[in-house]
Amino acid sequence: GNSVTQMEGPVTLSEEAFLTINCTYTATGYPSLFWYVQYPGEGLQLLLKATKADDKGSNKGFEATYRKETTSFHLEKGSVQVSDSAVYFCALSGNNAGNMLTFGGGTRLMVKP
Amino acid sequence: EADIYQTPRYLVIGTGKKITLECSQTMGHDKMYWYQQDPGMELHLIHYSYGVNSTEKGDLSSESTVSRIRTEHFPLTLESARPSHTSQYLCASSDAAGRTDTQYFGPGTRLTVL
Repeated sequence: GNSVTQMEGPVTLSEEAFLTINCTYTATGYPSLFWYVQYPGEGLQLLLKATKADDKGSNKGFEATYRKETTSFHLEKGSVQVSDSAVYFCALSGNNAGNMLTFGGGTRLMVKP
Repeated sequence: EADIYQTPRYLVIGTGKKITLECSQTMGHDKMYWYQQDPGMELHLIHYSYGVNSTEKGDLSSESTVSRIRTEHFPLTLESARPSHTSQYLCASSDAAGRTDTQYFGPGTRLTVL
């Protein structure tokens, strides 16, 4: 079956530091890959997505590249801000009619001023 | 901008009470989902629907039930709440067209059963 593994948190960084949150996946076929962000007390928001190999998703300074050879979709940002403090979820959508998402366990990011 | 709403946002209730968590979306999406999010953040799919009169159980067994009488509305009901039901419940929806369509999430309902 499908699975997503992401690095455990919390990840604590100083403002303007470089961020990487690792995400690897196991899936049959050609899944679509997503990063969602959950701010405190809120639901999940789509941050970015990629639908095929070598695609790069980007939004709000965050980037992730769909690497089929390493089955990875690592999230990066060059300079984090305090407002980026949140929980980040990597997810995949497999070849199924229901658009079912398989989520990783989430990584909490804390950015200190 | 996704238009999916959940009420109430917070609910504290005693054991044995019947509760209904509301979820509505104005995007005309056919597919809707309910997730339970535990304190460790992990998300578990508990119910989903492909459209009106369609409901299925998800990966995590749940004592809750759902109904889908209208496209825009997907309420979740607990007939007799227990402390083990304390959790965050997230509703989501997606368009039926294509396998890559994004799921859009509501703000969640945080349920506490005393």
